[in-house]
Amino acid sequence: ETGVTQSPTHLIKTRGQQVTLRCSSQSGHNTVSWYQQALGQGPQFIFQYYREEENGRGNFPPRFSGLQFPNYSSELNVNALELDDSALYLCASSFGEKLFFGSGTQLSVL
Amino acid sequence: KQEVTQIPAALSVPEGENLVLNCSFTDSAIYNLQWFRQDPGKGLTSLLLIQSSQREQTSGRLNASLDKSSGRSTLYIAASQPGDSATYLCAVSFLTGGSYIPTFGRGTSLIVHP
Repeated sequence: ETGVTQSPTHLIKTRGQQVTLRCSSQSGHNTVSWYQQALGQGPQFIFQYYREEENGRGNFPPRFSGLQFPNYSSELNVNALELDDSALYLCASSFGEKLFFGSGTQLSVL
Repeated sequence: KQEVTQIPAALSVPEGENLVLNCSFTDSAIYNLQWFRQDPGKGLTSLLLIQSSQREQTSGRLNASLDKSSGRSTLYIAASQPGDSATYLCAVSFLTGGSYIPTFGRGTSLIVHP
C-alpha cells in the first residue's frame, strides 16, 4: 500500500470532451506529480506541484492542467480530448526523494 | 534531451535463475535513480532508490548498482520466482528547469516460469 488513491479507475470519454482525474496522497507528502503511460511505454512526466504551485512541467500542451489542494489531494484536467490521450494516468506523491504511485486511471477516448 | 534506455525489452527465464536488467542514461549529471516494478494495468511500486553519490543499494534478493561515469545501472535479481513476473522500470531524475524530474525507460517485461 502506497497511501495514494486515484479515482476513477476507468473512464470512457468522447473526443472533444473534458475530463478531471483525482488523486489523494498521504498527509505530509507536499509534492505530487502526474504521468501519462501509453501501452507498452514508460510513464511520461506531465507536471509536478509543490505546496499548491506548479514547479515543473513536461512536454504536454496547455490543455493539460492541474491543481493541488491543501488537504494533499490533486486533480488533472484535460480539455478537448484527443484519441491519443487514451492512456493510463498515474499520480505520484513524494516523501523525501522516493515516489509513491497510485494504481492509476485508465482513460479511453473514443 | 535526457534519454533512458532499458535492455532487454523482454526476458523469460526458468524459476531459480539469477538475472540482470540493464538501464542506461545519456546525462551523467543525475540526481538519483529509482527502480520500480509494475504489474499489468497497475501503478508502480518502488523497489530501490540510489542517490547520485551511492554505488549500490540492496533489498532482499534485489541489488541495484549505479555507475554515473558510464551512464549505467543494473538491477540484479537473485533466485528468481514466478511472483517476480512483472515489468521493471528504471527512472532517472535530472535537473530540469530548476526541479528534479524523473525520466523513465520503457521497461523490461520479465516472465519467470515454474
